[in-house]
Amino acid sequence: DSGVTQTPKHLITATGQRVTLRCSPRSGDLSVYWYQQSLDQGLQFLIQYYNGEERAKGNILERFSAQQFPDLHSELNLSSLELGDSALYFCASRRDSLNSPLHFGNGTRLTVT
Amino acid sequence: GQQLNQSPQSMFIQEGEDVSMNCTSSSIFNTWLWYKQDPGEGPVLLIALYKAGELTSNGRLTAQFGITRKDSFLNISASIPSDVGIYFCAGHGSSNTGKLIFGQGTTLQVKP
Repeated sequence: DSGVTQTPKHLITATGQRVTLRCSPRSGDLSVYWYQQSLDQGLQFLIQYYNGEERAKGNILERFSAQQFPDLHSELNLSSLELGDSALYFCASRRDSLNSPLHFGNGTRLTVT
Repeated sequence: GQQLNQSPQSMFIQEGEDVSMNCTSSSIFNTWLWYKQDPGEGPVLLIALYKAGELTSNGRLTAQFGITRKDSFLNISASIPSDVGIYFCAGHGSSNTGKLIFGQGTTLQVKP
């Protein structure tokens, strides 16, 4: 158990809809990262937050947004969903040190029909 | 942007064989990490490397941080069926955001 909790585990929704994925980082971790993993693909970095502030952006679509709350949990919002958004979405957290490893949750599997 | 090239893409080996996979980059990385992902789960950290030339072991796993800081390898000795999964290399590049860049993964299958 990595200590990173993601909910829900599975999500099935229709095109055009909006969903929210939730992540609770490990206790004491201030940084939260979001990654997308499509079928048979590697992990694509979406966005990073540190102590409530956006720190870095990757290949995140404008239809997607995220935030980190004062209690350090984070939410990833996906709107106007398309079939191609079907993927595993992982949250990861880390300590303050820039080079410390990321610890991943078990992901949310999103299926858009 | 910075990218990692991981090879091989997949491997199918006999139980007991040794395995080697590697990652290369055209730019310098400050940290190299190796993760394993089982089906339906998140990646789990296997080994972290922080210094050029560093050689680190974790049980049957050994990984090295290349001297040039542009490559790393992971070896698995005496493979067993539970080694099956996808292995990812990852690295922290030159940015100060701590963004972790991943290779495309090596899928390992072990035949008992």
